[in-house]
Amino acid sequence: NAGVTQTPKFQVLKTGQSMTLQCAQDMNHEYMSWYRQDPGMGLRLIHYSVGAGITDQGEVPNGYNVSRSTTEDFPLRLLSAAPSQTSVYFCASSYGDRLEEQYFGPGTRLTVT
Amino acid sequence: AQKITQTQPGMFVQEKEAVTLDCTYDTSDQSYGLFWYKQPSSGEMIFLIYQGSYDEQNATEGRYSLNFQKARKSANLVISASQLGDSAMYFCAMREYGNQGGKLIFGQGTELSVKP
Repeated sequence: NAGVTQTPKFQVLKTGQSMTLQCAQDMNHEYMSWYRQDPGMGLRLIHYSVGAGITDQGEVPNGYNVSRSTTEDFPLRLLSAAPSQTSVYFCASSYGDRLEEQYFGPGTRLTVT
Repeated sequence: AQKITQTQPGMFVQEKEAVTLDCTYDTSDQSYGLFWYKQPSSGEMIFLIYQGSYDEQNATEGRYSLNFQKARKSANLVISASQLGDSAMYFCAMREYGNQGGKLIFGQGTELSVKP
């Protein structure tokens, strides 16, 4: 199993550009989440999904869109990048409700200039 | 209000000694879970230990134990016999089961440095 994979690893965007961060898992996990981690801080939940076709907002959803058309993939879209979105983005997945068995991807480091 | 508070931005410990990392939480839910994660300098998030609010025994996983004091709303992580590889950021997190879905709320972290 590859676990949770994220692409790209690094990305630089200009203000106003849009892009999609990719996240995929091959463990047939129902739950998937996107977090952002700002310097010196813990992770904050952006959006999450409890299964294909179902998504919901977390703590800091503004400026981001998600969709979940398959169990495996959970892309995060930045609609119009802003410098405040400079952060490290983590995708995570877990089997059902078992967050104690949540697997994190390696992260995407995004810089918006 | 802060849901998860980690009051120690940085800690030092001598190799082979034990260390306690503090975490206090705030919730009105009766059912919740507490987590500790390790983040080494390479950046990945590594799950360490979990404690459910109804668990009567403190959770243990190898050298990690969680000192759960429900009345004080604290969930401190104890690392016994520290190793150089334990140097990392450590995050406490909470999930309130009254909320739908997988919402984890993280503290700001404690940076642990293990001295040889």
